[in-house]
Amino acid sequence: QKEVEQDPGPLSVPEGAIVSLNCTYSNSAFQYFMWYRQYSRKGPELLMYTYSSGNKEDGRFTAQVDKSSKYISLFIRDSQPSDSATYLCAMSRSNDYKLSFGAGTTVTVRA
Amino acid sequence: GAGVSQSPSNKVTEKGKDVELRCDPISGHTALYWYRQSLGQGLEFLIYFQGNSAPDKSGLPSDRFSAERTGGSVSTLTIQRTQQEDSAVYLCASSFGQGAGYTFGSGTRLTVV
Repeated sequence: QKEVEQDPGPLSVPEGAIVSLNCTYSNSAFQYFMWYRQYSRKGPELLMYTYSSGNKEDGRFTAQVDKSSKYISLFIRDSQPSDSATYLCAMSRSNDYKLSFGAGTTVTVRA
Repeated sequence: GAGVSQSPSNKVTEKGKDVELRCDPISGHTALYWYRQSLGQGLEFLIYFQGNSAPDKSGLPSDRFSAERTGGSVSTLTIQRTQQEDSAVYLCASSFGQGAGYTFGSGTRLTVV
């Protein structure tokens, strides 16, 4: 079993829809949780960075962490065609520089 | 520079040849990382450099892989006697310190034929 599980999709939604992405993990020591966006042939770009459980909102993006369930989510409201990309979850233990990544979910937002 | 720069962006090599991949991190970033991204897989940690400390090489998959970082800046990842399973995108990232959010480069897409 992988340390971080993420459904690869693909996920296709119409413009304006809410995109819901999630990851599950097995290591209860993870404390920092991140979401990266990766466009084709580009490196991952940090979108959201959260510590421990709770919600964090940034514009159209909301990240949620439920440590009791070992489950994290990313919601994209009012999705745009420019949101079409692969979204990767990542996490790390406290004071650890290594990130453990999910396999990524490919999202297409149809105009 | 403004971002993390990697070269070459694409590399096709014959099985058994050696390759060198270069990473130029953001100026002032003390931490540098190499990850590998294979098709349908998540990013796999390879190696970590922090300042003048000994690098963490625990993610290197075999002794054919090595990396160095000169002068606390530019890093080179070397793969000797390449194999087809080495085909992947090799990503470099840098950060101000441990635990800070990474900035990734665009990667080197390596194809071993």
